[in-house]
Amino acid sequence: TQLLEQSPQFLSIQEGENLTVYCNSSSVFSSLQWYRQEPGEGPVLLVTVVTGGEVKKLKRLTFQFGDARKDSSLHITAAQPGDTGLYLCAPQNSNSGYALNFGKGTSLLVTP
Amino acid sequence: GAVVSQHPSWVICKSGTSVKIECRSLDFQATTMFWYRQFPKQSLMLMATSNEGSKATYEQGVEKDKFLINHASLTLSTLTVTSAHPEDSSFYICSARKGQMNTEAFFGQGTRLTVV
Repeated sequence: TQLLEQSPQFLSIQEGENLTVYCNSSSVFSSLQWYRQEPGEGPVLLVTVVTGGEVKKLKRLTFQFGDARKDSSLHITAAQPGDTGLYLCAPQNSNSGYALNFGKGTSLLVTP
Repeated sequence: GAVVSQHPSWVICKSGTSVKIECRSLDFQATTMFWYRQFPKQSLMLMATSNEGSKATYEQGVEKDKFLINHASLTLSTLTVTSAHPEDSSFYICSARKGQMNTEAFFGQGTRLTVV
């Protein structure tokens, strides 16, 4: 069974601060996706990383896939209240089928 | 982008009754859909995989007789919570993907179930 850890579980910061969220596993992933969920809604895809060492940027969000494809990070620069939400990582392996199994998530609150 | 619609968005029911939640893919056909459950301040937990024209695949610990899944068409899956009890109160979310690994998963808006 793949052990997946996401940290921190909760994070409360002020507008303008930077933060990093981590997603780690004991297993190698084929790929990994990051989603964000706002209260009362379904998650929305932010990014898919596939290649070890890959870095993708989405405005103030920077996603990195570890060289060994066992971990990933999400860094937010100059956080804004609109970044508030639950950030979820979802690793995938070729034998895991369609279903997404999410990490425990990081609940981020950005206050003005 | 693709849209997945879930209905109702919220429902309150009495203990012992059954509640049906619908999940529709609006602009694509989904041979497979997924049902998740989410408790407050927690992540999504995969309950089952709904397969069009065949039986659903349930995750370990999920009672298939409690959570009935029907996927009768390529655009509709339903989850029925049977004989609901207060501990079944939760946020239920469905999902569908256009392709396999690495494709985007589209989620419904979720259904807030409260059993009183």
